[in-house]
Amino acid sequence: AQSVTQPDIHITVSEGASLELRCNYSYGATPYLFWYVQSPGQGLQLLLKYFSGDTLVQGIKGFEAEFKRSQSSFNLRKPSVHWSDAAEYFCAVNTAGNKLTFGGGTRVLVKP
Amino acid sequence: DTGVSQDPRHKITKRGQNVTFRCDPISEHNRLYWYRQTLGQGPEFLTYFQNEAQLEKSRLLSDRFSAERPKGSFSTLEIQRTEQGDSAMYLCASSLVTPTDEQYFGPGTRLTVT
Repeated sequence: AQSVTQPDIHITVSEGASLELRCNYSYGATPYLFWYVQSPGQGLQLLLKYFSGDTLVQGIKGFEAEFKRSQSSFNLRKPSVHWSDAAEYFCAVNTAGNKLTFGGGTRVLVKP
Repeated sequence: DTGVSQDPRHKITKRGQNVTFRCDPISEHNRLYWYRQTLGQGPEFLTYFQNEAQLEKSRLLSDRFSAERPKGSFSTLEIQRTEQGDSAMYLCASSLVTPTDEQYFGPGTRLTVT
């Protein structure tokens, strides 16, 4: 069965610094990959998605992610973090054509 | 487009009581999903519908749980004889049909069983 691992439970970053969140998946073929963000008390909002083609994908709010098949990874990056980026971030895969399998999430704290 | 809505947003109930949650998807979306999210964890899939047909149920969905989507529009999730372990955020999402279609999530219903 497919699985998603987000190795970092918490990350603290200074405002203006760069951010990278790690995501590793387990699946035999190329999955459909997603990053979602969840602010306190809110539902999940899609940041970006990868299905095929260019392995570097751009998303909303200045985020990008790179798919690396050899490493089974789909890491999320942002060059300069804003205080409003403090939230929980979830990586997810869709392999069965219907349901999403999520990682455990990474909580991002932004220091002023 | 009003997005996915869920009602209620919060529910506190005593152990052993029944609860029912409602989800209204985006109107043109054929698929509707239910997920459960416990504190500090990612959402876990419970079940999904395509139109009114329930096509898959997770093993997490015990026989105390039942979901319906009677006319292929809104859906309800009922939990009978609630237990403290049912305390969680219940998330609903909807999408068009293909696996590349984004799932749009509602704000969730937070259930607390005392």
